Amino acid sequence: DSGVTQTPKHLITATGQRVTLRCSPRSGDLSVYWYQQSLDQGLQFLIQYYNGEERAKGNILERFSAQQFPDLHSELNLSSLELGDSALYFCASSEGSQVTQYFGPGTRLTVL
Amino acid sequence: QKEVEQDPGPLSVPEGAIVSLNCTYSNSAFQYFMWYRQYSRKGPELLMYTYSSGNKEDGRFTAQVDKSSKYISLFIRDSQPSDSATYLCAMSGLNAGGTSYGKLTFGQGTILTVHP
Repeated sequence: DSGVTQTPKHLITATGQRVTLRCSPRSGDLSVYWYQQSLDQGLQFLIQYYNGEERAKGNILERFSAQQFPDLHSELNLSSLELGDSALYFCASSEGSQVTQYFGPGTRLTVL
Repeated sequence: QKEVEQDPGPLSVPEGAIVSLNCTYSNSAFQYFMWYRQYSRKGPELLMYTYSSGNKEDGRFTAQVDKSSKYISLFIRDSQPSDSATYLCAMSGLNAGGTSYGKLTFGQGTILTVHP
């Protein structure tokens, strides 16, 4: 168990809908990262937050947004969902060194 | 062309074998090199990381980085059925402040099966 928690574990929704994925980092970790894992693209970095502020951005779609709250938990919002958004979404956290990132169990999103 | 290339396998070996997993990369700015293990339906688990070139050993696992060839390897000695998983290499560069970027760039992963 990495200490990173993610909810929900599974999410099934329809195209055009909006969902929110939640992540709680390990105790003491200030950085939160979001990744998307799909069969064709592999594990792709989406966005990083450090102590409430956006720190780095990957190829995150404009339909996707994230935020980190004062208690350091983070939410990833996915809107106008498309079939291609079906994937595993992972949250990771790190303490000081950004290299050692610890991943949560993931949220499996299925868009029908 | 992807920044990080990793043979997806699958790789099947008998218990006790030495396993060699490899990645190549094209971005010379990468300075940190990681190996993650991912069991089915689980999140990736950090196995090891190295900075720049060289070797690092941790128990049955040895990571090697050859920056001149842009090639990294993970060796698993005395492989066990419990090592059956997908192995992902990941890399990160340095920002202007000299610390690593938060963005990890992953290979596609190699599926490893160790059979008894």
